[in-house]
Order: sequence, then structure tokens, then C-alpha cells
Amino acid sequence: NAGVTQTPKFQVLKTGQSMTLQCAQDMNHEYMSWYRQDPGMGLRLIHYSVGAGITDQGEVPNGYNVSRSTTEDFPLRLLSAAPSQTSVYFCASSTTMGGYTFGSGTRLTVV
Amino acid sequence: GNSVTQMEGPVTLSEEAFLTINCTYTATGYPSLFWYVQYPGEGLQLLLKATKADDKGSNKGFEATYRKETTSFHLEKGSVQVSDSAVYFCALSYTGNQFYFGTGTSLTVIP
Repeated sequence: NAGVTQTPKFQVLKTGQSMTLQCAQDMNHEYMSWYRQDPGMGLRLIHYSVGAGITDQGEVPNGYNVSRSTTEDFPLRLLSAAPSQTSVYFCASSTTMGGYTFGSGTRLTVV
Repeated sequence: GNSVTQMEGPVTLSEEAFLTINCTYTATGYPSLFWYVQYPGEGLQLLLKATKADDKGSNKGFEATYRKETTSFHLEKGSVQVSDSAVYFCALSYTGNQFYFGTGTSLTVIP
């Protein structure tokens, strides 16, 4: 049972480039979320989904898009990377009040 | 609004010392409360949770009690080990798909 799988683990982008962070879970969880982790700020919610075809914005959605075409996958798209998006990104999935299962993270640097 | 406040770190303890990491919350309703642990280079892992007032969550020797009267969920362990060195996050959630995290408390246990 792989849990939540994120790819890539590391990425360096130039300002203005776009990319997609991949997230897949094999636990049939209905909820999936994306967080970014920055020093001294904890985790902040970017976007979340309560099921296939349903997404919503979190605390810091600007500059990011998501889609949820299947239960398993929840990719995060950076439209035009900026240095302020340098961070560690975590994908997580859960069932109702079951607590999150987190992926191992993607460390993104925008230069 | 909803928020979580954790004690400032870092915390350094000797092996077998008693651990307390303070967590208080502000909530508009009656959330569930969680503690997560993050080991270096990894994602967050659920450590324990409590879903209603006076519940005690426990796991791996760690405990936390949901105190509605003091809006607190302090994490305790009677005797820490070197392997407990990690960052600990307190969090609250109403729905299981949106979590509010504290900023994290780094713990280092020295032999």
C-alpha cells in the first residue's frame, strides 16, 4: 500500500516557468489537499477537494490551479512560477475526521 | 476565526526527561484536535487525535487531552527518547478536509 505519492521530490524552476506537481493516493480517500510549508509559518492550505470533480480554494490559492478528475489524482499546477512560491509542498488525503495521510513532499525552488 | 498557537521552540531535552508542548486553539465551533509529527525530510504523520471535549488521545507514549474550558491540547510524554527528535504540529479540523495547523515545535532529545 503506497499511501500518498508525490512527484517530483525536488524541482528548480526559473521565474515565469510553469509546472505540475503530481499527487496520487491509493486508499480511496474522498478528501485531498495541497499545503505549502514555510519556515515559521506552519502549513498553509492552498486548495482542497472533497471528491472527484469538486475543488475549492484554501488560505493561499493565488498562483496555483488544481483539478480532480479521478478519486486517486490531485495535481497542483503552478501557472507562472515566482520566487515567493519557493517552498515545500505537501499533498494529503483523508476520510471524514480520519486524519490526514501526507505525502513525503516536493521541495521547490524558484530562481 | 480558527487558529492554533503552539509554544515557541526549539525545545532541547535530555533522554528520559518529561516533555510538554503547549497548544491552545481558537475555534468558532467544536473541532477535532490533532497532533502530527514530522521527522527530517519526511511528510507529517498523525500522532494522535481527540474528537470531543475531555477525550484523551494517546500513541507511542504520547498523550494529549482535549480541554474545552482552557481551549488547550497540550502534548505530553513521560520519558522521551532520542528517536522522538522531530517537529510536532498541533492542528484542528471540523470536516477532515481543512486543517488549521500551528507553526510547529522542534524537539531535540540528547543522549
